[in-house]
Amino acid sequence: GESVGLHLPTLSVQEGDNSIINCAYSNSASDYFIWYKQESGKGPQFIIDIRSNMDKRQGQRVTVLLNKTVKHLSLQIAATQPGDSAVYFCAEPLGGYQKVTFGTGTKLQVIP
Amino acid sequence: ETGVTQTPRHLVMGMTNKKSLKCEQHLGHNAMYWYKQSAKKPLELMFVYSLEERVENNSVPSRFSPECPNSSHLFLHLHTLQPEDSALYLCASSQEDRGNSPLHFGNGTRLTVT
Repeated sequence: GESVGLHLPTLSVQEGDNSIINCAYSNSASDYFIWYKQESGKGPQFIIDIRSNMDKRQGQRVTVLLNKTVKHLSLQIAATQPGDSAVYFCAEPLGGYQKVTFGTGTKLQVIP
Repeated sequence: ETGVTQTPRHLVMGMTNKKSLKCEQHLGHNAMYWYKQSAKKPLELMFVYSLEERVENNSVPSRFSPECPNSSHLFLHLHTLQPEDSALYLCASSQEDRGNSPLHFGNGTRLTVT
């Protein structure tokens, strides 16, 4: 069936390095994708989104890349900081009223 | 502050108890959601309310009963739960008339059923 999934469950990165978190999706009709960050003890927090008419979108220290040819999404975090340690989810609304499908998440660990 | 407030933050209840989870959003959104987050599983959509009407019931057992009295408040009434219902219950809101828009989550209620 259609699914949103993440390649790596855990990613360890040295402080100051760049982080790349990947996500694969299988619904070719998807036209909107969202990245969320969930810190321990908190709910998911919106980071950045991208629509299918774009292949790149930048925010503050974060960049999302969309490759529709291979149905791949990535989140790049520049100069990773300890505060970036969290679980990151990509999400995909699969219909009206936000039937958002989430992957299991990638845990980012920042090594000081 | 997330703009979405959930109470209580933690709840321990027995299988015969009745309790309610509360969610309030201060963002002026017109849609609200309940999600369940269990360990090592993706977030599971439970219910969706749009303009105070339930528009999605994602095959949730009847021991979970949602209520949306107005566009700012959402409740999840719990009764005769099972231990496997122990999880983090997340409330979220969004603004639907803007087309695709991100969800704004609360910090959840950690539920333990004993």
